[in-house]
Amino acid sequence: GQQLNQSPQSMFIQEGEDVSMNCTSSSIFNTWLWYKQEPGEGPVLLIALYKAGELTSNGRLTAQFGITRKDSFLNISASIPSDVGIYFCAGLQGAQKLVFGQGTRLTINP
Amino acid sequence: SAVISQKPSRDICQRGTSLTIQCQVDSQVTMMFWYRQQPGQSLTLIATANQGSEATYESGFVIDKFPISRPNLTFSTLTVSNMSPEDSSIYLCSAQITEAFFGQGTRLTVV
Repeated sequence: GQQLNQSPQSMFIQEGEDVSMNCTSSSIFNTWLWYKQEPGEGPVLLIALYKAGELTSNGRLTAQFGITRKDSFLNISASIPSDVGIYFCAGLQGAQKLVFGQGTRLTINP
Repeated sequence: SAVISQKPSRDICQRGTSLTIQCQVDSQVTMMFWYRQQPGQSLTLIATANQGSEATYESGFVIDKFPISRPNLTFSTLTVSNMSPEDSSIYLCSAQITEAFFGQGTRLTVV
C-alpha cells in the first residue's frame, strides 16, 4: 500500500544534540501526525498538524506542515535519554485511513 | 483524545489455534482500525472495523483469516485464525477522531 518516505531510518546522537527528521509524499495530505513508539507500547501521538505551513510545538518538539501539503518535519531540541524510541509520521487524506512512514529509530548516547 | 484498552497484551499460542484480541475505547468513535506491526517495521493496516457491517479489508488480508467484529461504537475484536509462526507480530487497534489513537498492542508469538 501507499507509504510515506521518512528519513533518516535511524539516528545515533549524543545527549543534548538536536534532532531533525522528515517525511515526504507524492500525494497531498490534509493532516500530518507525528507519533513516538517505545518498546512494548503502541504509538503515542506527539503533534498533529492541520494546515499547510502550520508550525506547532510541544515542549522541545516542533513540527511543520509543508506548504505543498506533501511533506512535514519534526525537530527535537536538546535531546535527553527518554527521547529514545521510534518516531513515525502519518498522513490523512480526508476522513480516511492513515498512511505511515517507515519510522526513524532514535538512539541517544549519554 | 481517546483512551484505548487492548487485551491481551501478549500471548504465546500453538500453531493451528485462534486468538481473539479485544479493543475497548473510552468514548464512542466512528472509525476503528486494526494494524499489524512486524518487529522493527512500520504499521500495516489490516482492516477498517465498521460498526454494524462487515469490516473492510486491505489487500493481502482476508476475512477468513482475520475476522473482525464491531458490535458498537466503543468495542471491536480481531481474531487471528488458524495461526502459523508467520502470524507472530504485534497487533494494534486504533480509534480515529480527527487524529488516531492506539492501544498498547498485543504481542503474539506462535510456536
